[in-house]
Amino acid sequence: DVKVTQSSRYLVKRTGEKVFLECVQDMDHENMFWYRQDPGLGLRLIYFSYDVKMKEKGDIPEGYSVSREKKERFSLILESASTNQTSMYLCASATDFGNTIYFGEGSWLTVV
Amino acid sequence: KNEVEQSPQNLTAQEGEFITINCSYSVGISALHWLQQHPGGGIVSLFMLSSGKKKHGRLIATINIQEKHSSLHITASHPRDSAVYICAVPHFGNEKLTFGTGTRLTIIP
Repeated sequence: DVKVTQSSRYLVKRTGEKVFLECVQDMDHENMFWYRQDPGLGLRLIYFSYDVKMKEKGDIPEGYSVSREKKERFSLILESASTNQTSMYLCASATDFGNTIYFGEGSWLTVV
Repeated sequence: KNEVEQSPQNLTAQEGEFITINCSYSVGISALHWLQQHPGGGIVSLFMLSSGKKKHGRLIATINIQEKHSSLHITASHPRDSAVYICAVPHFGNEKLTFGTGTRLTIIP
């Protein structure tokens, strides 16, 4: 059974804290993605990676960075969390967009 | 105007009814995805299609590339079909997906 696993389901962090969201996939996919989902706005792409150590900005990269040191792991980093980063974060992976995309269960982040 | 628009935004129906959710897009695509999101957040890919029609159990997805329109149909709907259904399209030449804002479906027993 294919799997995209996000390490934390629910987090509460303080403003200014550094936050790490981890995502691991077991399908040997090249492409991995971080999205955030907010009511009325749908899913928006933060960053994606098409290979180890390769990354590209998505539509809303400001305030975020990413790391992909190994093929199976893609981390999203909030250098200094702010309240407007309170959201649900989804990780996904795919071989390419001719094929199925797989999502993690989501991480609910609240910044207070 | 959104690049990917879904209708309706919310849909409530009785168990057993035939359900149709529509997706219209303005960006060029090579394939369109239909996704299902249950309460709690996780998203499951239902279909990826680039032409014609696909069927999986009670779910049917169709696409008309010329008209830039896709529909997701559910036959003999059941309360467990209650979820948010999202369509997503990739842009030509890159790996980015643009998502619709979703259709919240509620099936009443």
